[in-house]
Amino acid sequence: VLTQSPGTLSLSPGEEATLSCRANQRITANYVAWYQQKPGQAPRLLIYDASNRATDIPDRFSGAGSGTDFTLTIASLEPEDFAVYYCQQYASSPGTFGQGTRLAT
Amino acid sequence: QVHLVQSGPEVEKPGASVRVTCKASGGTFNTHGVTWVRQAPGQGLEWMGRIVPVIGVVNYAQRFQGTVTFTADKRTNTAYMDLTRLTFDDTAIYFCAATVTRGVGYMDVWGNGTRVTV
Repeated sequence: VLTQSPGTLSLSPGEEATLSCRANQRITANYVAWYQQKPGQAPRLLIYDASNRATDIPDRFSGAGSGTDFTLTIASLEPEDFAVYYCQQYASSPGTFGQGTRLAT
Repeated sequence: QVHLVQSGPEVEKPGASVRVTCKASGGTFNTHGVTWVRQAPGQGLEWMGRIVPVIGVVNYAQRFQGTVTFTADKRTNTAYMDLTRLTFDDTAIYFCAATVTRGVGYMDVWGNGTRVTV
């Protein structure tokens, strides 16, 4: 089970966002990914292996963590960053998602 | 870069079956698996399972065992999801995603989604 917090995070452009994803058991090899989803769109991969940025993802997005606690940090929010963010563990089946964090203005 | 195109929206009655198609271009299933994810209206993402065509491995989330089948045609780079015994709770958008198969895999390219209404 992955628990994301907070459920909703209200910030303004230029501020820093820190999103949390906590697992109820250790995630092998830190196999955690983060995705961004905007309304009416498919999700987009941001981070894999807990801390590696996916192709073409701006460096204001960073991931960290190990074991059971993982974070996604977005430095200096841009207007296009306001969306829903999901973490996913892919160490074992089922590849569960967290319930999502809505980043709102 | 893999690009995934899914079939169009479907409207079905309870008890019926539906097939969703996912065609890959710009890459092949020799390098990626395919994961299926669904999203009910206003809800989060739900991992349904995955298929790794190059080695023929299929994993299903327990709640979908017996009602969903994943297949793939390597010759045409097309993946299929068959969902049977539809209920109202199966109303959702279904996404396929190209999957880097470490562990059960993370999804680096997503299809456009297929809306299924029951």
